[in-house]
Amino acid sequence: NAGVTQTPKFQVLKTGQSMTLQCAQDMNHNSMYWYRQDPGMGLRLIYYSASEGTTDKGEVPNGYNVSRLNKREFSLRLESAAPSQTSVYFCASKGTSGGVFRLAKNIQYFGAGTRLSVL
Amino acid sequence: AQKITQTQPGMFVQEKEAVTLDCTYDTSDQSYGLFWYKQPSSGEMIFLIYQGSYDEQNATEGRYSLNFQKARKSANLVISASQLGDSAMYFCAMREGISNFGNEKLTFGTGTRLTIIP
Repeated sequence: NAGVTQTPKFQVLKTGQSMTLQCAQDMNHNSMYWYRQDPGMGLRLIYYSASEGTTDKGEVPNGYNVSRLNKREFSLRLESAAPSQTSVYFCASKGTSGGVFRLAKNIQYFGAGTRLSVL
Repeated sequence: AQKITQTQPGMFVQEKEAVTLDCTYDTSDQSYGLFWYKQPSSGEMIFLIYQGSYDEQNATEGRYSLNFQKARKSANLVISASQLGDSAMYFCAMREGISNFGNEKLTFGTGTRLTIIP
């Protein structure tokens, strides 16, 4: 069971280059998320997709775009990379259990991360 | 104000001892969830344990338990009988609101680096 798969695992870019980080999940989850992790700051949400066909900004969306390609895939694009975007990027997915008023766990499961350096 | 506060940047614990990792949170919601994740040196984020705001009993998952004190807004992780493999970063996170709407988000603390000494 692969869970959440991120590609690539490592990437080095020059300032101004563009790239897309790929994420796919095989758990039939509705919601998907992109986070970045910087030293001493925990994880911060960049964008999320509550369900197929929807995307919304998180805490730190500037400089990024996302695409929810289908239920399985959620990509993160850097159009013009900047050194401030050097970070570790995590994709996560979450299912929903039945019942609107039920406080279910609905755990977010994470991919292994992509370590990005922008020079 | 920080929504999740982890005041211990690093901890060293002797193998086989119990360890408590602190987490305090700040929310005005009545419905929320608290999570602990482990991040070993390999980098992946591993879910450990969950506590819902309406859960009356403290959550337990094997050697992990969550000491949930709602009035004090604390959700400390307790690891019993620590092992060398427990050496990792540990993150506390909070989900505010009702879970089944996909737009709710996790807010993470800054983490505690735990080192188990043989």
